[in-house]
Amino acid sequence: DQQVKQNSPSLSVQEGRISILNCDYTNSMFDYFLWYKKYPAEGPTFLISISSIKDKNEDGRFTVFLNKSAKHLSLHIVPSQPGDSAVYFCAAHPQGGSEKLVFGKGTKLTVNP
Amino acid sequence: ETGVTQTPRHLVMGMTNKKSLKCEQHLGHNAMYWYKQSAKKPLELMFVYNFKEQTENNSVPSRFSPECPNSSHLFLHLHTLQPEDSALYLCASSLVGVSSYNEQFFGPGTRLTVL
Repeated sequence: DQQVKQNSPSLSVQEGRISILNCDYTNSMFDYFLWYKKYPAEGPTFLISISSIKDKNEDGRFTVFLNKSAKHLSLHIVPSQPGDSAVYFCAAHPQGGSEKLVFGKGTKLTVNP
Repeated sequence: ETGVTQTPRHLVMGMTNKKSLKCEQHLGHNAMYWYKQSAKKPLELMFVYNFKEQTENNSVPSRFSPECPNSSHLFLHLHTLQPEDSALYLCASSLVGVSSYNEQFFGPGTRLTVL
């Protein structure tokens, strides 16, 4: 049973526009959510995180929004750039000091020039 | 070397072979992880080592045998694998006990093909 779901396997956006990547979760016991970005032939790299006690975190062009009542988070990239083309993974950290992260399947973002 | 390195980057092996994957982290972290990424599936956590002690084994078959001799090195020993074990194997490390959200740093992965 998948606890973290990214229902869109791919997304295509025009350069300069906003990219919105979505993630849903089923477990209310997650205390942090993270977004990772992965280029081909490389490992995932950490992008941005948000605590479950917040509803927004912003870092430059990247903003993550958390809607706890809907168990939904989204990553906004604006303006999108061709170099943002990658696979984006949503991950969740369970409460209680666990070292685990639970990952979604990923969404492949393509930003067209 | 910086970050998390993995060798080899690509490995092709037969079902009767024995091979090992190696991971090294140069970040001063105290926890290391093995993940498996199969096509169209989420990253699956396999093993977690915290201060060299295994703290998580996610119901991984015994044909995968991890070894963590120190906080900087992690191995995954492979024997009598099956073709369905073909996947990208990712190593990660983190500094447990400092950050609440356990940001993990990943290596580039080993692309394993079992014939």
